[in-house]
Amino acid sequence: EIVMTQSPATLSVSPGERATLSCRASQSVSNNLAWYQQKPGQAPRLLIYGASTRATGIPARFSGSASGTDFTLTISSLQSEDFALYYCQQYVTWPRTFGPGTTVDIK
Amino acid sequence: QVQLVESGGGVVQPGGSLKLSCVGSGFSFSGFGMHWVRQAPGKGLEWVALLWYDGSSKYYADSVKGRFTISRDNFKSTLSLQMNSLRAEDTAVYYCARDSGGGYCSGNNCPMDVWGKGTTVIVSS
Repeated sequence: EIVMTQSPATLSVSPGERATLSCRASQSVSNNLAWYQQKPGQAPRLLIYGASTRATGIPARFSGSASGTDFTLTISSLQSEDFALYYCQQYVTWPRTFGPGTTVDIK
Repeated sequence: QVQLVESGGGVVQPGGSLKLSCVGSGFSFSGFGMHWVRQAPGKGLEWVALLWYDGSSKYYADSVKGRFTISRDNFKSTLSLQMNSLRAEDTAVYYCARDSGGGYCSGNNCPMDVWGKGTTVIVSS
């Protein structure tokens, strides 16, 4: 099983600032890496797939990048609606596995 | 619009059974693989199972293998999860999610692009 880790667990950011979230896979997932956003009481929403491609309707302030087994989600200028929980997920092997999540909250 | 709606959650005693359903609309249900993903209270996301679009292949998390069965009825655009021998640790919100397909995928490897709102399962005596 591929283990996904995320850091930090919590990121405190002021509105308008940049947020950088990290995700690491225990072995290669190639670019089969997705990022999801989840707000309290809501279902997850796909933000990024293929490590760096925005899903339909996702604002350009969200971007993803990859370097080997390390992945980064960057939110360039945080809006009020971006304060949420973010998960990474690999979809190259079974079982599909998620990271434990990073909470982005208001500083 | 594209939508998934889960139902069937409830309170069940340990060792009991429950069947969840997920109805898809606004898209060609029979053309997509479908997942179940769960989230225990205050915890992260845990993938549970996937069934291919035509029912030909299915995959399970080790934590549910042998107890849960995923199935689908493409004529009714419905995905199901039969859960037997339930345990306290199965308590969670259960989401169905669509395997995205098409340009989102690398071969058969696809993210989950549409999610339902979830249904809550509580296993307690």
